[in-house]
Amino acid sequence: GESVGLHLPTLSVQEGDNSIINCAYSNSASDYFIWYKQESGKGPQFIIDIRSNMDKRQGQRVTVLLNKTVKHLSLQIAATQPGDSAVYFCAERQGYQKVTFGIGTKLQVIP
Amino acid sequence: DVKVTQSSRYLVKRTGEKVFLECVQDMDHENMFWYRQDPGLGLRLIYFSYDVKMKEKGDIPEGYSVSREKKERFSLILESASTNQTSMYLCASSLSLMNSGNTIYFGEGSWLTVV
Repeated sequence: GESVGLHLPTLSVQEGDNSIINCAYSNSASDYFIWYKQESGKGPQFIIDIRSNMDKRQGQRVTVLLNKTVKHLSLQIAATQPGDSAVYFCAERQGYQKVTFGIGTKLQVIP
Repeated sequence: DVKVTQSSRYLVKRTGEKVFLECVQDMDHENMFWYRQDPGLGLRLIYFSYDVKMKEKGDIPEGYSVSREKKERFSLILESASTNQTSMYLCASSLSLMNSGNTIYFGEGSWLTVV
């Protein structure tokens, strides 16, 4: 989910379990969405994207689901590993407009 | 793979100093961006450029300027650094504004501390 202030929402997951990270986006006209992973001290890294004409897209160990009715985006990570520990944030874009980024969710993987 | 390189990872500057942050991308992308990232505030767009010598203000341009003399290089300039500009600065690039599906790729970030 999105930040409720200075503290990032945190999701703690046991190693090997599946993780689901949620994002509520704001613009019903947004037509392109991206998930990023940001490890501590590093820049955001592209994970997966999805266009608004799709409901689901799969990558390697990751799946993005888009529900336009409720303006909700989720990132599913299968068989979560310690290396998946990071902040994950979503981004939305409408046509040629600038991209709007969410604040992110911190994923902690418990060994 | 897209490579966005920020030459300075960690800088400490004094109040009032002029600061240059350099960014280079190697994928012939048209668009380049400068963001700052602060705890609880997420990524905020400072400036972007969609072509050589072109620039557009983002959400928080005050206290900053930019330069894009070559397609691959986009510089962020703090004319007179202040302590409230202490932050992590992220450069990014994307292929074209004409395709809404173009992903934005980020550099590794530059941590600036102004004392």
